[in-house]
Amino acid sequence: AQRVTQPEKLLSVFKGAPVELKCNYSYSGSPELFWYVQYSRQRLQLLLRHISRESIKGFTADLNKGETSFHLKKPFAQEEDSAMYYCALSGPSGTYKYIFGTGTRLKVLA
Amino acid sequence: EAGVAQSPRYKIIEKRQSVAFWCNPISGHATLYWYQQILGQGPKLLIQFQNNGVVDDSQLPKDRFSAERLKGVDSTLKIQPAKLEDSAVYLCASSSDRGKTQYFGPGTRLLVL
Repeated sequence: AQRVTQPEKLLSVFKGAPVELKCNYSYSGSPELFWYVQYSRQRLQLLLRHISRESIKGFTADLNKGETSFHLKKPFAQEEDSAMYYCALSGPSGTYKYIFGTGTRLKVLA
Repeated sequence: EAGVAQSPRYKIIEKRQSVAFWCNPISGHATLYWYQQILGQGPKLLIQFQNNGVVDDSQLPKDRFSAERLKGVDSTLKIQPAKLEDSAVYLCASSSDRGKTQYFGPGTRLLVL
């Protein structure tokens, strides 16, 4: 079955500490992986996608096909990173069916 | 550019009543999505349109939910009759094409009493 798993509902870290938000997926094929973020009282928005291989706001994510993971990382957390983070996958060409994880709330403590 | 617009922002109804939500996507976006997000869960895709055709509605409870996208622009999602378990945030999103970045609206928060 197609599934996205985010094992942590809440992750609290201190400012300046490294952050890793975990995402594992189950998909029979080659999906595209995304991280979406929702800051307080704002809309859900794209943070990054694996095919871009770019760093956004200091965050990076590497697709590990062997471990079927797409963990989100940042070396030094900032208070403004506090938000809800969702990992999502999209099926291959022809379907583009989106599946979201349950989300992880990141709290960066001063 | 103007973002995805949704209305109403909040709606409270009693079970067995009907309700409709409206979405205006970003101009020129061919793909439109409706999601249901129950408290504590991630968004669940209900239906996906490509222009005015349905691409995927496999998770839409068709006995009570319906959606249309007339002229390939605005879309409405209807629930008739509503059940208590329909209480959720209904999100609309659009993208320039399938597989591209989705842009989300603010959502409509529905409470069914």
